[in-house]
Amino acid sequence: EPEVTQTPSHQVTQMGQEVILRCVPISNHLYFYWYRQILGQKVEFLVSFYNNEISEKSEIFDDQFSVERPDGSNFTLKIRSTKLEDSAMYFCATSGGVDQETQYFGPGTRLLVL
Amino acid sequence: AQTVTQSQPEMSVQEAETVTLSCTYDTSESNYYLFWYKQPPSRQMILVIRQEAYKQQNATENRFSVNFQKAAKSFSLKISDSQLGDTAMYFCAPSRGNNNDMRFGAGTRLTVKP
Repeated sequence: EPEVTQTPSHQVTQMGQEVILRCVPISNHLYFYWYRQILGQKVEFLVSFYNNEISEKSEIFDDQFSVERPDGSNFTLKIRSTKLEDSAMYFCATSGGVDQETQYFGPGTRLLVL
Repeated sequence: AQTVTQSQPEMSVQEAETVTLSCTYDTSESNYYLFWYKQPPSRQMILVIRQEAYKQQNATENRFSVNFQKAAKSFSLKISDSQLGDTAMYFCAPSRGNNNDMRFGAGTRLTVKP
């Protein structure tokens, strides 16, 4: 069964450093999303992406965040200058194909900012 | 904006018994979709079941079924014949559909006891 994959599974970084989180969508999916989950809290929407542009973004997704699909396969989330409060699990989700409304999640990247 | 309320932070059930998790939401949309996701200790987000708001028939998926009350904006999940592997956080999430964010509730932590 096709799956969404994410790399790395874990990342530790110093405050102020840039990080790039990567996602490989299910092959026929065209809609991409990033969510985050701070430990012990609910899952929060960050951004949706379609046709090489942002469709929607939340108030969390400020100028420190950016997304792109650089090579037609990977979908990336960049955090330019990480803060302590960026420590969270980051989930990529994708949708498309026959069941266009259902989002399928990757396993997540656990980011720790020190 | 959609708000989602899961009023049961924690629940427990004996193996083989039935449990119902509640969810209410607020939306101004006329057409939307509703999802339940399961998050086991691995923190992977796993789709449990989905419901289209325009469908009156309640969705079922093996041991999982929903009670969707559109007028009341209620979307509860029933798990029959509970199994130890059902132990997880369960999140209710309405969505406006393609290319749109899902808004998650705070979750219900379900423990299935042997």
